[in-house]
Amino acid sequence: QAGLTQPPSVSKGLRQTATLTCTGNSDNVAYQGAAWLQHRLGHPPKLLSDRSHNRPSGISERFSASTSGNTASLTISGLQPEDEADYYCSAWDRSLSAWVFGGGTELTVL
Amino acid sequence: EVQLVESGGGLVQPGGSLRLSCATSGFKFSNNWLDWVRRAPGKGLEWVANINPDGSETNYVPSVKGRFTISRDNARNSFYLQMNSLRPEDTAVYYCATHFASVDASWGQGTLVTVSS
Repeated sequence: QAGLTQPPSVSKGLRQTATLTCTGNSDNVAYQGAAWLQHRLGHPPKLLSDRSHNRPSGISERFSASTSGNTASLTISGLQPEDEADYYCSAWDRSLSAWVFGGGTELTVL
Repeated sequence: EVQLVESGGGLVQPGGSLRLSCATSGFKFSNNWLDWVRRAPGKGLEWVANINPDGSETNYVPSVKGRFTISRDNARNSFYLQMNSLRPEDTAVYYCATHFASVDASWGQGTLVTVSS
């Protein structure tokens, strides 16, 4: 069972903006924030944002992350067909001494 | 160029053991936290274990504690996941990564572990 809660699916139109959410608690998301990863089957996962909302080199500015209390969000602007993928949030849980993931959100670009 | 290459996956019966290896190059191995992350068929990503730079600290997801052991060899720039008492629910693609949640993260291509009779 996932430690963080994400909506299973989100659908948006081409060039629109999608905001994906991730809800945790005071021991994980509210403690040190959440990282965001993109995963397409057959490929390794790709980090989009670390817990401090920094993007790795090469990640488009269209991806931006934020945190408010127990909820982390990933906003993807100007949606492109290649953005179709599964998106995961992850946070360090201090009560478990373990990283926890959300169940993932499948993003469809219409 | 940073490279991580997993090996050791395969088919194993329930209750059996496998040892995954991750050979790395292109970065200062001994400075990095290292992770194993998996994705089971039809399920999402799950962090499995990590190990600190000198190997003195390890952490595990509760479902593998007592069955899996992560280790590293800083002289060989490699790290490992010893998996014992394997269960069907351990069936997954296993990825090795350098500190997967950092902006400097790098990942292997994954190795498939299938636990089935």
